[in-house]
Formats: sequence, C-alpha cells, structure tokens
Amino acid sequence: EAGVAQSPRYKIIEKRQSVAFWCNPISGHATLYWYQQILGQGPKLLIQFQNNGVVDDSQLPKDRFSAERLKGVDSTLKIQPAKLEDSAVYLCASSSVGGAYNSPLHFGNGTRLTVT
Amino acid sequence: GQQVMQIPQYQHVQEGEDFTTYCNSSTTLSNIQWYKQRPGGHPVFLIQLVKSGEVKKQKRLTFQFGEAKKNSSLHITATQTTDVGTYFCAGGEGKSTFGDGTTLTVKP
Repeated sequence: EAGVAQSPRYKIIEKRQSVAFWCNPISGHATLYWYQQILGQGPKLLIQFQNNGVVDDSQLPKDRFSAERLKGVDSTLKIQPAKLEDSAVYLCASSSVGGAYNSPLHFGNGTRLTVT
Repeated sequence: GQQVMQIPQYQHVQEGEDFTTYCNSSTTLSNIQWYKQRPGGHPVFLIQLVKSGEVKKQKRLTFQFGEAKKNSSLHITATQTTDVGTYFCAGGEGKSTFGDGTTLTVKP
C-alpha cells in the first residue's frame, strides 16, 4: 500500500511569514494526525482528525496555527505568522479506526521547517 | 496532562552488547506502542502491548508491559549496527503521547 505522502520535504522561511504543509494519508485511514517534532524530542500532537472532524486540538497554538481536512481525506497545516520556535519537523500520520485501543500510527517523511 | 518519560536519553554500546530502554507513565495506560526512528527518518511502528504483564518478542527485541500498566521496556539482545536510531514509546487513551525517546548508537 502507498504510504503517507507529505510535501514539501523542506521549507525555509523568515519569521512572520506564512507557510503551509500538505498531507495525504493512507487510503482508507479515517484518522489523521499532525505532530510537531523539535530536534531531540518526541513527536508532540498538534491536532487529530477523525474523517473531517477535529477530535483533539488542545495543543494547537490556535493564534498562529490552523489545520483543515476537507472531504475527510487530505489535510493542510498552516502557520501564520511563523516564529523562530516553530522550527521543527512537522509529521503527518494516519491510522485506521476500530477496536478499543489506539491503532498503530503510519507516519509520512515529514516537512523540515526552518524559520530564520 | 499525561506524561510519558523515557530513560536513558542516550545509550552507546559496543556491537554485540545488550540494550534496554525504559518507559514510565504518570497514569495508567490502556496500551503502549513502540516506534523506531532512524537518523533522518520518520517514526516506524514496532509493536503494541495491551495486556497487563504482557511480553512480546520480535527476533532480538523483547517488549514488556508492566503489571500496573504504567511502565514498559524494550530490550535488544546482541545489538547490531542496524539497530541504531531513536526508540520511542507512546501511550494513551484514544491518542498516543510520545516520550522523548532513547537514542542508541552502536560501535562496530
């Protein structure tokens, strides 16, 4: 099966600029996640979608970050305006739904964002 | 909120030595997942443990889930250079909270 697709792979912007990332999950996976991974740390959940609805966005800095998943398939994550501390790898993951326990996450290759 | 702590942060071993990483949660977990991230790569799912006291093996890797479902461990027997990377545990209810990982380096 095709994996999770993300673009772009790398992005360099200046602070206060805006940036957008795109993700296409594995076909049939209803749940989509955006994680932020700062160098030397584990992935931190920003937002979780179930189909096209938001399940959890408690750690999303909503004053500057936004995400959408129109039609319940692919998703975009936007940062506007960017800050230096937003420099990180942004990982998209998807999982199937079912059962009482968390389904394994399938990650994309990520977008490495550098804010200067 | 829920926190997942991993120790050690780094581990350097000689090829052939064993390696163990530990994961501890501040709350009881419904399940625990383990992922491996190679340098420059993305996390890749290894295994999921659900039952109290569960032990699972994958070749040289042994995974354990504590009786109280608040801790877990990953043990690698006779490490190889292909084992290098960062090992993350993740647990939670409905979503996975990741630890900060243990980075393993193996000297040939």
